Amino acid sequence: EAGVVQSPRYKIIEKKQPVAFWCNPISGHNTLYWYRQNLGQGPELLIRYENEEAVDDSQLPKDRFSAERLKGVDSTLKIQPAELGDSAVYLCASSSYSGGRYFGPGTRLTVT
Amino acid sequence: AQRVTQPEKLLSVFKGAPVELKCNYSYSGSPELFWYVQYSRQRLQLLLRHISRESIKGFTADLNKGETSFHLKKPFAQEEDSAMYYCALSGSARQLTFGSGTQLTVLP
Repeated sequence: EAGVVQSPRYKIIEKKQPVAFWCNPISGHNTLYWYRQNLGQGPELLIRYENEEAVDDSQLPKDRFSAERLKGVDSTLKIQPAELGDSAVYLCASSSYSGGRYFGPGTRLTVT
Repeated sequence: AQRVTQPEKLLSVFKGAPVELKCNYSYSGSPELFWYVQYSRQRLQLLLRHISRESIKGFTADLNKGETSFHLKKPFAQEEDSAMYYCALSGSARQLTFGSGTQLTVLP
C-alpha cells in the first residue's frame, strides 16, 4: 500500500502567485485532512473532509485559501495569491472513521 | 478550547539512559491522547495512543488526568530513537491538536 500521496514535494513561488497542492488518500479512507506546519511548530488543521463534504474549515483562511475534494477521493488545496507568511509544510492525512490518522510526506512551500 | 504543551524543544540523552518527553494538555472533557513521531526524512507517524495502553518500540505513556499530563517514557534510549516527537489531543469534535514538538537526540 502506497500510503497517502502528495505532490509536489517542494514548491518555490514568488509572492502573489497562485499555488496548488494535491493529495491522494489511502484507499477506503473517507476522512481527509489538510494541515499546515510552520517551522518549529506542530501541524495545525486547515480543513477536514468527510467524503466530499468539508465538515471543519474553521481554520482555513478563506480569503486566499480554497480546497475541494471532488468525488470524495483526491483533494486539492489552493492558495491565491500566496503571501510570504504562507511558507510552511502542507500536510495531508487520511483516516477511516474509527481509525488512526495516516500522514503524507508533505509539500514544502517557499514563498519569496 | 484544547491545547497541548510540550515544554522542551530539545532533549538530549545518552544511549542506555532513561528518557521522558513531557506533555501537558488543557481540555475540559475526556480527551484522547496520542504521541506521533517523525524520523529524519520520514513522514509523521503514530507512535501510540493512550486508549491502547500498549508499548511501542519500548515507549509507554500514561494519561494522568489529575496532572493533565501524558508524558512519554522509555527506560533505555537507543540511537534510533532520535527523532521529533509530537504529543496530540483529540477532543469531542475529532479535532487533533498538536504540541510544538520535542526534538530528541540520543547520543552514543
